[in-house]
Amino acid sequence: DTGVSQNPRHKITKRGQNVTFRCDPISEHNRLYWYRQTLGQGPEFLTYFQNEAQLEKSRLLSDRFSAERPKGSFSTLEIQRTEQGDSAMYLCASSKIEDRSTDTQYFGPGTRLTVL
Amino acid sequence: DAKTTQPPSMDCAEGRAANLPCNHSTISGNEYVYWYRQIHSQGPQYIIHGLKNNETNEMASLIITEDRKSSTLILPHATLRDTAVYYCIARPQGGSEKLVFGKGTKLTVNP
Repeated sequence: DTGVSQNPRHKITKRGQNVTFRCDPISEHNRLYWYRQTLGQGPEFLTYFQNEAQLEKSRLLSDRFSAERPKGSFSTLEIQRTEQGDSAMYLCASSKIEDRSTDTQYFGPGTRLTVL
Repeated sequence: DAKTTQPPSMDCAEGRAANLPCNHSTISGNEYVYWYRQIHSQGPQYIIHGLKNNETNEMASLIITEDRKSSTLILPHATLRDTAVYYCIARPQGGSEKLVFGKGTKLTVNP
């Protein structure tokens, strides 16, 4: 399967612990996005990268959240000192942009985080 | 906030066409209309997008009104596997490319 992959698919943690999620985009996609989705709501944008550069961050991305894409390929999203309000589905998407035309984002299956 | 409005839910009989409406009366001239769907507990799946002209692919057809204030996603022969939440999104060409999702339409295909 050459789609976007995310690991782990499920994570249960205790409040105050740190967690890290990984996203592997579609090969040769230069943009990578992170979204968060809570129950009954549509996904909300968190941040995105073009190659290694993090170009935009949402106000939802508090200082406990950090995302990296060190080599312009896979990305990690870390949440420090997790809180129960962090429980959500974390979605990754990737796209390929070559010019000013609009790219299409393709999503992975998500990582479901439960903070106890 | 999302720039589009959609009915919260719709029903469709299996084998019939499902027509999902979307209102985007404030859409800008450079904004595309994108459709995604999300089957329970899965990531959103891209369906189709368009700017002015009607579009068709193997999954669906997108009909955009001439004034671009609304559009309709058509699933020509709905199956039970098409039961999902469908999101209509207005997205500008170029610049920040984030998708702004609303609550979408929950489509239930009944046998």
